[in-house]
Amino acid sequence: NAGVTQTPKFRILKIGQSMTLQCTQDMNHNYMYWYRQDPGMGLKLIYYSVGAGITDKGEVPNGYNVSRSTTEDFPLRLELAAPSQTSVYFCASSERVLASRYGYTFGSGTRLTVV
Amino acid sequence: AQTVTQSQPEMSVQEAETVTLSCTYDTSESDYYLFWYKQPPSRQMILVIRQEAYKQQNATENRFSVNFQKAAKSFSLKISDSQLGDAAMYFCAYRASYTGTASKLTFGTGTRLQVTL
Repeated sequence: NAGVTQTPKFRILKIGQSMTLQCTQDMNHNYMYWYRQDPGMGLKLIYYSVGAGITDKGEVPNGYNVSRSTTEDFPLRLELAAPSQTSVYFCASSERVLASRYGYTFGSGTRLTVV
Repeated sequence: AQTVTQSQPEMSVQEAETVTLSCTYDTSESDYYLFWYKQPPSRQMILVIRQEAYKQQNATENRFSVNFQKAAKSFSLKISDSQLGDAAMYFCAYRASYTGTASKLTFGTGTRLQVTL
């Protein structure tokens, strides 16, 4: 049981480049989330999805896009990378039924540096 | 909007001693869940313990226990018999109980715990 798989684990981008952070889960979870973690700032929600075809903005969505074409996959797209997007990115998933009782299942994170 | 505050950026404890990490939160909801996550240097987010707001009894998981004070909106984590492997960043998190919020977790800014010999 792989859980939540994120790729890549590390990436260096140049300013203005674009990339997609991949996230896939094999637990048939309906809810999926993308967070970014900056030093001293905790984790901030970028986007989330409650099911295939449904996505919504979180606290810090600017500069990012997402899609959810399947239950399993929830990629995060960075367009025109900026130094402010240097961060660690986490994907997470959760069950819908009794979802609130439990925490998330997290991926191992992607460390992104924009230079 | 819900907020979670961790006022201790760093804490230090000697091996085998006890340490308490503080967390306060703000919400207008009466039913919700609280969590403590551990993030070691490997970056992995590990669920340590959770507490349902409707339960008065404090949750415990082996050496980890919480002091949940609903009226004061306080949710502290006590680590007993601290071990070197407890050294990590600890995050407090809040989650509303109704799915209308898409069950989003709101995190505090974290407390870095050092464990010394």
